[in-house]
Amino acid sequence: EMQLVESGGGLVPPGGSLRLSCAASGFSFRDNWMYWVRQAPGKGPVWVSLISSTGNTKAYADSVKGRFSISRDNARNTLYLQMNSLRVEDTALYYCVKDTSSGWYDVWGQGILVTVSS
Amino acid sequence: ENVLTQSPGTLSLSPGERVILSCRASQSVTSDYLAWYQQKPGQAPRLLIYGASNRASGIPDRFSGSGSGTDFTLTISRLEPEDFAVYFCHHYGKLQDTFGQGTKVEIK
Repeated sequence: EMQLVESGGGLVPPGGSLRLSCAASGFSFRDNWMYWVRQAPGKGPVWVSLISSTGNTKAYADSVKGRFSISRDNARNTLYLQMNSLRVEDTALYYCVKDTSSGWYDVWGQGILVTVSS
Repeated sequence: ENVLTQSPGTLSLSPGERVILSCRASQSVTSDYLAWYQQKPGQAPRLLIYGASNRASGIPDRFSGSGSGTDFTLTISRLEPEDFAVYFCHHYGKLQDTFGQGTKVEIK
């Protein structure tokens, strides 16, 4: 069974940092592009960042560019999201997501809550 | 950015009814790269439809997708109790992913 399990969330004050991790299993992690998607309460999902299978291509939503950094360790089957200079508006449930070769998302983690508040 | 607008925001229906959900894009969707997801409270989104009209593995045939260009539709032919949820459309394509704001299907 393909599975993604996020960890590392929590409560952090504005300006603080967090590092999210996502452990993948049940599929060939090294062959897949991976994504972080976030969802604020009562809102639709929002794409945050992506990374190619080799890690050579990375992209970020304008709202997090310069503050967030995506990376991966294919030997450990793990995806990361380093979040710096956090803002109140970054508060959301963060999902680790796998796509198919054609681009739709077929596997989502259970989500990890990030709360930015003083 | 291709903005996806879903309508209506909320639908109040009874089991057994037919449901038609709309997703309208601000720009044409390349190669019908449009997916639909179902989300229940406390759960991650679940893929229903990809490529505008292809059902994902294990999805009942009461769910169907159609459309092209800028107008897409998700139809549930006959609502089952487990179908009451929020539905999102998604324009995918590596560097151009956007989601609609969702349509909630609630029990009348």
